[in-house]
Amino acid sequence: QKEVEQNSGPLSVPEGAIASLNCTYSDRVSQSFFWYRQYSGKSPELIMSIYSNGDKEDGRFTAQLNKASQYVSLLIRDSQPSDSATYLCAVNVYNTDKLIFGTGTRLQVFP
Amino acid sequence: DGGITQSPKYLFRKEGQNVTLSCEQNLNHDAMYWYRQDPGQGLRLIYYSQIVNDFQKGDIAEGYSVSREKKESFPLTVTSAQKNPTAFYLCASSAGTSDYNEQFFGPGTRLTVL
Repeated sequence: QKEVEQNSGPLSVPEGAIASLNCTYSDRVSQSFFWYRQYSGKSPELIMSIYSNGDKEDGRFTAQLNKASQYVSLLIRDSQPSDSATYLCAVNVYNTDKLIFGTGTRLQVFP
Repeated sequence: DGGITQSPKYLFRKEGQNVTLSCEQNLNHDAMYWYRQDPGQGLRLIYYSQIVNDFQKGDIAEGYSVSREKKESFPLTVTSAQKNPTAFYLCASSAGTSDYNEQFFGPGTRLTVL
């Protein structure tokens, strides 16, 4: 059974701090990794995609991928209260277009 | 303005009734997906379609049915055989069917069984 694991949180960080969200996956051959942000009562919004080992930066967001350790993370710099949401990690099923989602980490950014 | 629309936003169903949830996209995407989200759980795949007139079961297809008669549309029917249908239903689409395609979500339909 392919799995994607996330700490459910909540992860509480003060405004302006770096929030670090982590995700591990079980399928060693997965090729693509995604981070979605989901506000309460809303649908998930894609914020980052990463396919190669290393870091990928987009504004205040940095995704980090380590395929050897089967680990993907999302860093949010200069966290804002508007970043408070649940962050879903998704990993593709190899040789398909299907995704497996983690249960999400709830982030709380307090002023 | 390109995007994915779902209707209705809220839906109430009596036990024993079939209901159909609408999903439309104008992104010219080939693939479409239906997920179910329950509180505290990740998204679970119900059905997906990679091409018109073809679709495959996901992990939790029992009690659901779909059709894909047009590229833009992928309606989901929740039948009376689905024992616990109260959930948040999400439709998604992606441009292609490789390992690298990003999926984008519609706003969702919240179904409640009375």
